[in-house]
Amino acid sequence: QSALTQPPSASGSPGQSVTISCTGTSSDVGGYNYVSWYQHHPGKAPKLMIYEVSKRPSGVPDRFSGSKSGNTASLTVSGLQAEDEADYYCSSYAGRNNFVFGTGTKVTVL
Amino acid sequence: EVQLVESGGGLVQPGGSLRLSCAASGFTFSSYWMHWVRQAPGKGLVWVSRINTDGSSTSYADSVKGRFTISRDNAKNTLYLQMSSLRAEDTAVFYCVRGFSNAFDNWGQGTLVTVSS
Repeated sequence: QSALTQPPSASGSPGQSVTISCTGTSSDVGGYNYVSWYQHHPGKAPKLMIYEVSKRPSGVPDRFSGSKSGNTASLTVSGLQAEDEADYYCSSYAGRNNFVFGTGTKVTVL
Repeated sequence: EVQLVESGGGLVQPGGSLRLSCAASGFTFSSYWMHWVRQAPGKGLVWVSRINTDGSSTSYADSVKGRFTISRDNAKNTLYLQMSSLRAEDTAVFYCVRGFSNAFDNWGQGTLVTVSS
C-alpha cells in the first residue's frame, strides 16, 4: 500500500493550465479505472473533483479534467483561477477493497 | 444536504484507546459504503478503513490492521472507528467519508486525535 507519487508542487498564472501527474503501479492506477482527484483547502473538508478517471461530479467546473495512461493518471486545471490554489490529491482503488492516496501536490496561482 | 459530523477525538496516551463516531444525515446511510481517512499534521491524506453497506465486510490499511475496528449502526445513521494500541504516528485529523464508485464524494470536517504522553 505505497502512496501514489505526485509532484510536490505545480504553478501557473491566472488563465493558464496546470497538469498534475499521479503515478502508481499495475496493482492500482494501471489496474482499475477508479482514479479520483480531490481539492483540499487547508482547514476545510476535501472536495471530490474527478472520479472514474475522467468523470466530473455535478457542480465541478469543466475546467477540471482527468485522464489516465498506463500506470499514470493526470489532472488538468485549465483557465487557472485564484480559488484553484489548493492541495490536490489523487486516489486509486487498489484491489481487495483497499484504496490508496497520492502524496499530494500544492498548486500555486502566481 | 449530506452532512457527516465526526466526534470523539482528543488527547490520548500512547497505548491507549479511543472511539470516533460519525453522525450521518441528508442521505440514505445504509445504502453507502463508508470510509475513514486521516491526515497527520503537515502530511497528506491516507486511507484508513472502509465498511460495506450492512457492515458485513471491512478492510484496513496495513498500518492500522489489528488495532483499529470500523463498524456502523444503520439504525442510528452512525459510523464508528474503535482505535486501540495508539501510537504517536496515529496523531492526525480523522475524516468520515462517504464512498461513491470507489471514490470519496462527501467528507466531514474531521476530528483531531493526538497521541502523546
